[in-house]
Amino acid sequence: AQSVTQPDIHITVSEGASLELRCNYSYGATPYLFWYVQSPGQGLQLLLKYFSGDTLVQGIKGFEAEFKRSQSSFNLRKPSVHWSDAAEYFCADGGGSNYKLTFGKGTLLTVNP
Amino acid sequence: DAGVTQSPTHLIKTRGQQVTLRCSPISGHKSVSWYQQVLGQGPQFIFQYYEKEERGRGNFPDRFSARQFPNYSSELNVNALLLGDSALYLCASSLVSGANEKLFFGSGTQLSVL
Repeated sequence: AQSVTQPDIHITVSEGASLELRCNYSYGATPYLFWYVQSPGQGLQLLLKYFSGDTLVQGIKGFEAEFKRSQSSFNLRKPSVHWSDAAEYFCADGGGSNYKLTFGKGTLLTVNP
Repeated sequence: DAGVTQSPTHLIKTRGQQVTLRCSPISGHKSVSWYQQVLGQGPQFIFQYYEKEERGRGNFPDRFSARQFPNYSSELNVNALLLGDSALYLCASSLVSGANEKLFFGSGTQLSVL
């Protein structure tokens, strides 16, 4: 069965530091990969997506992600974190299905001043 | 333009009861999906409806059902509630059906089963 793994449950970084959140997917064919962010009590907001083409994708709020097929990874990065980035981040894969997303368990990001 | 709206925002039920959750998609969106998010977990797919027809169903028991109306709004029904049904229920809409479509999520309905 299709699965998405986010190895880090909780990450703490200092404001201004760089950030990398890890995501690994299991679907063998070309995946449809997404990163969503969820603030407390809110729904999910799409940060970026990858379907094909350039493996480095740019998203909103200064985030980017790189698709690496050899590592089955789609890690999210940001060069300088702001306090407002504190939230929970979910990686998702829509590959292998034409109607649903499979989400990882999420990574909670805490930003220290 | 309004985003995806869900009602109610919070709900408390007791075991064995039935509940109906409602979702209004973004204007022009014809596809509605439902996801269950248990505390500490990622969202899990329940249903997708497109043009009033069920297009996909996740691994949930028959106690869960849904429908989509001619105006593309949707209801999720859960019968015979269990404590384990306590979760945030998220509705998402998209223009058309497809796993590569950008989903717009509502803020969810927080269901507590006592």
